[in-house]
Amino acid sequence: GAGVSQSPSNKVTEKGKDVELRCDPISGHTALYWYRQRLGQGLEFLIYFQGNSAPDKSGLPSDRFSAERTGESVSTLTIQRTQQEDSAVYLCASSPTGEQFFGPGTRLTVL
Amino acid sequence: GQQLNQSPQSMFIQEGEDVSMNCTSSSIFNTWLWYKQDPGEGPVLLIALYKAGELTSNGRLTAQFGTTRKDSFLNISASIPSDVGIYFCAGIPGAGSWGKLQFGAGTQVVVTP
Repeated sequence: GAGVSQSPSNKVTEKGKDVELRCDPISGHTALYWYRQRLGQGLEFLIYFQGNSAPDKSGLPSDRFSAERTGESVSTLTIQRTQQEDSAVYLCASSPTGEQFFGPGTRLTVL
Repeated sequence: GQQLNQSPQSMFIQEGEDVSMNCTSSSIFNTWLWYKQDPGEGPVLLIALYKAGELTSNGRLTAQFGTTRKDSFLNISASIPSDVGIYFCAGIPGAGSWGKLQFGAGTQVVVTP
């Protein structure tokens, strides 16, 4: 497909477990973003990758959160030792220069 | 945390009515954006505003960038059932790049026939 894809679409995990969320951006988009959306709220910026520059990690809520990106392609968001407050939809977006195109998100539920 | 105050939180309207929602901030934004999010989907950009006072239309949608640079509004005219969804304002503060969008909490729009 031509859009941003994310996997899995849903993830249920137990408190304390680690999870990995994947984002496949639109081919050729140099910028990639991760956001968190809690129920009934807007999107909260987490991290931003732009080309080969060092990522902007200023939105990561704790050191349990990390993300990597392979070149200008796939990105993985990892949450270690998950907590119940991590339950949310995690959205990825990619961009060529300006407008961000969003994926459908991964709904994470921590029991 | 979020710096954008979006209102109303929800709206229940009849088909054919107009819809208005707005977003305010305590700080200046150089770009205002309006997105729509359908259930199970990511937000889709509706309108982007780049200059104070700018008024931009996209079909039945009209948005304005407030002259103080601290607010924006979105109007939907003659609503139809497919307008149902959550509408978010977003902004880029100061001289920031597109990288760090700040979002409002959203306005849930429900359209009844």
